[in-house]
Amino acid sequence: DVVMTQSPGSVSVSLGERATINCKSSQSVLYSVDNKNYLAWYQQKPGQPPKLLIYWASTREFGVPDRISGSGSGTDFTLTISSLQAEDVAVYYCQQYYNTPPTFGQGTKVEIK
Amino acid sequence: QLVESGGGLVQPGGSLRLSCGASGFTFGSSWMSWFRQAPGKGLEWVASQKQDGTEKYYVDSMKDRLTISRDNAKNFLYLQLISLRTEDTAVYYCARPRAGFVRLFDLWGQGALVTVSS
Repeated sequence: DVVMTQSPGSVSVSLGERATINCKSSQSVLYSVDNKNYLAWYQQKPGQPPKLLIYWASTREFGVPDRISGSGSGTDFTLTISSLQAEDVAVYYCQQYYNTPPTFGQGTKVEIK
Repeated sequence: QLVESGGGLVQPGGSLRLSCGASGFTFGSSWMSWFRQAPGKGLEWVASQKQDGTEKYYVDSMKDRLTISRDNAKNFLYLQLISLRTEDTAVYYCARPRAGFVRLFDLWGQGALVTVSS
C-alpha cells in the first residue's frame, strides 16, 4: 500500500495569513503514461463527510475558491490556503488514487490563531 | 445524493448490514465504495465494487468479515459486517467516484455510526 504522510498535524494561522500543509507519498504517484499526479486533497469539517477540493495535485474542483491551491509532483505535495478565512477551519487530507487501496494521510487540522 | 442507514449499537461478535441509497445520478454506471472513520481518527477505505458487481475489493485487515454488494435496480449499495470488534466502531461512509475515475471521490453520504460495545 502507498503510505501517505502529512505534516504538520495541526497548524494555527491568523485570519488572512497563509496556511501550508505538506503531504509525502511512500512511492511516486506520478503515472508516466499520462504524466499526471494521482493525488487529491479533501476538506472535512466537524460532523460532515469529506469534500473533494483538488485532484491531479493542482486542479480545483468546481466551486473551490482560488485561495486554495495544490502543488507538487512525484512524492511531495503541498496544499496552500493563501489567505485563511473562518470557513477554512477544518481537517485536510491528502489521498492517492494511483492504485488500490486508495490511501489517505492522517490529516492536518487548520485552526485560527 | 447518498444516504446511509443501518448503523447502530451492536455487541462484539455481532453483525450489521449497512445500506446506502443513491439518487440524482446513474447509480448503475458508477463504481461505489465504503470508507470508515473511527472517532477522532482519519479516513480509511474499506471496500469497492464495480458497476456490474463483478469486481470487489476489500481492505486487507477486514476482508474476511466484509461483503460489499449492490442492487442496481433499487439504487442501493450494501456492506455486510460480521464478527464485529470494538475497534470497528466508526462512522461508515459510502462514496461515489468522480465521473471517469475509480478511486477519486466527489460524492459522499453523511455517514452511519456503528458502535461496537457490550
